[in-house]
Amino acid sequence: EADIYQTPRYLVIGTGKKITLECSQTMGHDKMYWYQQDPGMELHLIHYSYGVNSTEKGDLSSESTVSRIRTEHFPLTLESARPSHTSQYLCASSDGFRGSEAFFGQGTRLTVV
Amino acid sequence: SQQGEEDPQALSIQEGENATMNCSYKTSINNLQWYRQNSGRGLVHLILIRSNEREKHSGRLRVTLDTSKKSSSLLITASRAADTASYFCATDPTGGYQKVTFGTGTKLQVIP
Repeated sequence: EADIYQTPRYLVIGTGKKITLECSQTMGHDKMYWYQQDPGMELHLIHYSYGVNSTEKGDLSSESTVSRIRTEHFPLTLESARPSHTSQYLCASSDGFRGSEAFFGQGTRLTVV
Repeated sequence: SQQGEEDPQALSIQEGENATMNCSYKTSINNLQWYRQNSGRGLVHLILIRSNEREKHSGRLRVTLDTSKKSSSLLITASRAADTASYFCATDPTGGYQKVTFGTGTKLQVIP
């Protein structure tokens, strides 16, 4: 079983609120990723990190921001949530040097009302 | 844009039949991976095939890779209702700090 955890699992929040989605992994992986996925649709990479203090924007433009202060922790923040942010957010990590498989968390399903 | 594209987008078969999904990609890769996603959940890694491999097996799964055509296929033999899920290919491109990108996915329905 993968040692990568996302909290919360579900979140319903009002427009304009600031939210942080948590992602932690205990595998010591250098690479971490955030994907956005609408139900039944493809995954879109929104942020990735190759290590501490390294963050890059992904293929899909996102108003969210991320930080990587510790290897194991890769939180995603939305300063002001909007209904258009409603989606599922998936966090993943992989061993950066061996091109190995990515391990995924269970996801956070965000609904902004 | 996504690196990989799977086809078909959706596939419905009877239990016991084989299911074949295809993935095409655009750039040179270190490896290609297949993942499975049950409805509303995270992805689970199924199998990884490296660029110097042509075929790989894992249980009822068989993956092929043709780097000259930049394509891969996933075959699930003797399908079961529990195989119902979405299947994604993911590519790990060559060249320094590249990022794993996912295809568009194939939704497989196995009818009991």
